[in-house]
Amino acid sequence: EDKVVQSPLSLVVHEGDTVTLNCSYEVTNFRSLLWYKQEKKAPTFLFMLTSSGIEKKSGRLSSILDKKELSSILNITATQTGDSAIYLCAYAGGTSYGKLTFGQGTILTVHP
Amino acid sequence: DTAVSQTPKYLVTQMGNDKSIKCEQNLGHDTMYWYKQDSKKFLKIMFSYNNKELIINETVPNRFSPKSPDKAHLNLHINSLELGDSAVYFCASSPQGTGNGYTFGSGTRLTVV
Repeated sequence: EDKVVQSPLSLVVHEGDTVTLNCSYEVTNFRSLLWYKQEKKAPTFLFMLTSSGIEKKSGRLSSILDKKELSSILNITATQTGDSAIYLCAYAGGTSYGKLTFGQGTILTVHP
Repeated sequence: DTAVSQTPKYLVTQMGNDKSIKCEQNLGHDTMYWYKQDSKKFLKIMFSYNNKELIINETVPNRFSPKSPDKAHLNLHINSLELGDSAVYFCASSPQGTGNGYTFGSGTRLTVV
């Protein structure tokens, strides 16, 4: 069965710290890997990764995919309290049309 | 203008009741989904529809019945509600069943008492 595993499950840091969130996957027919940020309501899209080794960047957030290691990381530099959220990793692929398979999420708490 | 809107946002009901959640998207997407997020925040797909046709039914009990009257709407009806159905239900849509361009609604928090 296809699987996505995230680590750590929770993380507490102080403002200004840099964090690295991990996502590993065991999937068939890989198409893309996605990262989402979820605060109080709907998950909001951060990145979609399809090619290995190409970093995607948006402000203080960046992400990269390693297809050989079947993993991805999400980096957040100079964290702020507004970065506190659940970060979800998901893959799109397999035989099911459009289905996203999510990991358990990493709960990030940033203290002032 | 909300892209994917769900109603109601909150639903508290007794065991055994039947309830519906409605979802509408104005993005022109062909594919719509229902996801369930449990108390541990694990998000899992339940159904997907592409142009009103059921594509994915992910081993969900028969008490859950989705209905898509047109490609902009996907409703979820739940019969004989159980305590374990308490969760947040998210509607989502995407163009042509791709992982790209997925947009989630703000969720419906269902509490069964």
